[in-house]
Amino acid sequence: KNQVEQSPQSLIILEGKNCTLQCNYTVSPFSNLRWYKQDTGRGPVSLTIMTFSENTKSNGRYTATLDADTKQSSLHITASQLSDSASYICVVRATGGAGSYQLTFGKGTKLSVIP
Amino acid sequence: DGGITQSPKYLFRKEGQNVTLSCEQNLNHDAMYWYRQDPGQGLRLIYYSQIVNDFQKGDIAEGYSVSREKKESFPLTVTSAQKNPTAFYLCASSMMGLAGYEQYFGPGTRLTVT
Repeated sequence: KNQVEQSPQSLIILEGKNCTLQCNYTVSPFSNLRWYKQDTGRGPVSLTIMTFSENTKSNGRYTATLDADTKQSSLHITASQLSDSASYICVVRATGGAGSYQLTFGKGTKLSVIP
Repeated sequence: DGGITQSPKYLFRKEGQNVTLSCEQNLNHDAMYWYRQDPGQGLRLIYYSQIVNDFQKGDIAEGYSVSREKKESFPLTVTSAQKNPTAFYLCASSMMGLAGYEQYFGPGTRLTVT
């Protein structure tokens, strides 16, 4: 069964500090991995997508890494801001036929940045 | 202003009543999706549609129904058969035929049934 596990479940950090969120998956065959940011009471917004051949990708203060061999991904947030307070969701797509639904969602990491 | 709209943002209903959640997109996306989100849970797929007049059940379709009469619209009806309807409902859409299949999400509707 395809699974996506995220850790930690929740995290509190001081404004200006860095943090790293983890995502382990057992989805196969792997197609891509996407990180979403979801503000409370809002819909998720994509931060970055990682394909099999990519190791690192940055989007401003967000840097995602992917190790396809160990089936692990991380999202590193640099110099955190209060606006980074949100849930971060890891979503893995399996390779499937055209139009087939192959997404597995993690439960998310709830990040709180405090002054 | 392109995007996905869901209405209303908050919805309250009495137990035993059916309720329909609206989802509209002007992104010209072929595929649309409905998810349910509960506290501490990942998003769970209710229904999805890849083309007008066609849709498929997701993991938790029981107690829900959908229609796809227009490309832009994918309403979800929560019926009285749904045992625990109180939840946050998210609609999403995506292009078909692209490897990334990025899903764009609406702002969500929080349904409370008492």
